[in-house]
Amino acid sequence: DAMVIQNPRYQVTQFGKPVTLSCSQTLNHNVMYWYQQKSSQAPKLLFHYYDKDFNNEADTPDNFQSRRPNTSFCFLDIRSPGLGDAAMYLCATSRDDTGSLFDEQYFGPGTRLTVT
Amino acid sequence: GEDVEQSLFLSVREGDSSVINCTYTDSSSTYLYWYKQEPGAGLQLLTYIFSNMDMKQDQRLTVLLNKKDKHLSLRIADTQTGDSAIYFCAESARRMDSSYKLIFGSGTRLLVRP
Repeated sequence: DAMVIQNPRYQVTQFGKPVTLSCSQTLNHNVMYWYQQKSSQAPKLLFHYYDKDFNNEADTPDNFQSRRPNTSFCFLDIRSPGLGDAAMYLCATSRDDTGSLFDEQYFGPGTRLTVT
Repeated sequence: GEDVEQSLFLSVREGDSSVINCTYTDSSSTYLYWYKQEPGAGLQLLTYIFSNMDMKQDQRLTVLLNKKDKHLSLRIADTQTGDSAIYFCAESARRMDSSYKLIFGSGTRLLVRP
């Protein structure tokens, strides 16, 4: 029944050691999003894919990259994690991002990243 | 700029009504949303309101929108312990390329006391 799946739920990495978080969806949605949520803060959009088109937010650090090899999967790569990158990373999907039409986002449970 | 603000914490007694408030800045927002996040879980869409509406009721939930003041509220009637969670207000903000993205508030942690 799970619609947006994130693995692993908890990830520990060392300072500077590349790490990849994964997200998969069974909804066949066109759009996939990655958010960063730090403790007691709002989820912050890092980037999203509309189908294969990658859309980066202006203030997303270069350290964060993403790949979407197919409709179902999307990966978040952190090339050199710093202590400030410790956060919950949320993946979400939506059918379409055509703006003024209502477009619900479905969220996964998140991956909590710890950087040691 | 884009900004959504909420109070951080609300505590109510079981059976009372809860009112969570939110202010936003983007007057072009077409939809405004309330998401719920339970411990260890992702965000779940609770309800939403179209910007040309003043009020929307959905069972125990009532959303009020004051466009003039850019103020949104969520009222939960007969609050239950299962309603304890973090509630996020979000607006849909127009990007430079005319597409939209969600801007979230920092969330209001609702604690329901037995």
